[in-house]
Amino acid sequence: DAGITQSPRHKVTETGTPVTLRCHQTENHRYMYWYRQDPGHGLRLIHYSYGVKDTDKGEVSDGYSVSRSKTEDFLLTLESATSSQTSVYFCAIRRTRDRGYEQYFGPGTRLTVT
Amino acid sequence: GENVGLHLPTLSVQEGDNSIINCAYSNSASDYFIWYKQESGKGPQFIIDIRSNMDKRQGQRVTVLLNKTVKHLSLQIAATQPGDSAVYFCAENKLWGGGADGLTFGKGTHLIIQP
Repeated sequence: DAGITQSPRHKVTETGTPVTLRCHQTENHRYMYWYRQDPGHGLRLIHYSYGVKDTDKGEVSDGYSVSRSKTEDFLLTLESATSSQTSVYFCAIRRTRDRGYEQYFGPGTRLTVT
Repeated sequence: GENVGLHLPTLSVQEGDNSIINCAYSNSASDYFIWYKQESGKGPQFIIDIRSNMDKRQGQRVTVLLNKTVKHLSLQIAATQPGDSAVYFCAENKLWGGGADGLTFGKGTHLIIQP
């Protein structure tokens, strides 16, 4: 997964606590994304960013906020974690390809809210 | 995600056989489709893509077929190997705009390879 890292890789937290997940890229891509993955739902878009300080909501944005103060970092914050936010979180960057594009994914963060 | 789905959650095939994974979509505006492979504990990995102006595209041991009339997409894997065991997702968006607003994913099919 060279080019995109996520931290932490695993986290257990209690309901009501704030949590911040970090995504870091080294390829200077403009677009970055946060998805969550749950059994039976595939991957669903939470938020995305189209530049520094430019973000927008995805399909499942309630309960999440994001920030992008530098091109290389995209942060996902759960202001007050709930058990329904137990999930695997993936960050992605958009890469162009010769005939289109792809979302290139990081290794994921497994978050458990107890 | 509800407009892009897979018919079978689990597919079991014998090693060496061909595998066919299906996907249905309902968003007529989508004209760009991607297949991803996700191995256990890893992020999804790009396999192959296809534009709506194509019916078929081939890669190394993989072929994607697109039937726009019935809004159906399939991924064929030839001579399936143990390393093909994974969950496979289809994803969609529009080619114009470069997918800037993200991809819509299906729920995935778990491909199991029997020795």
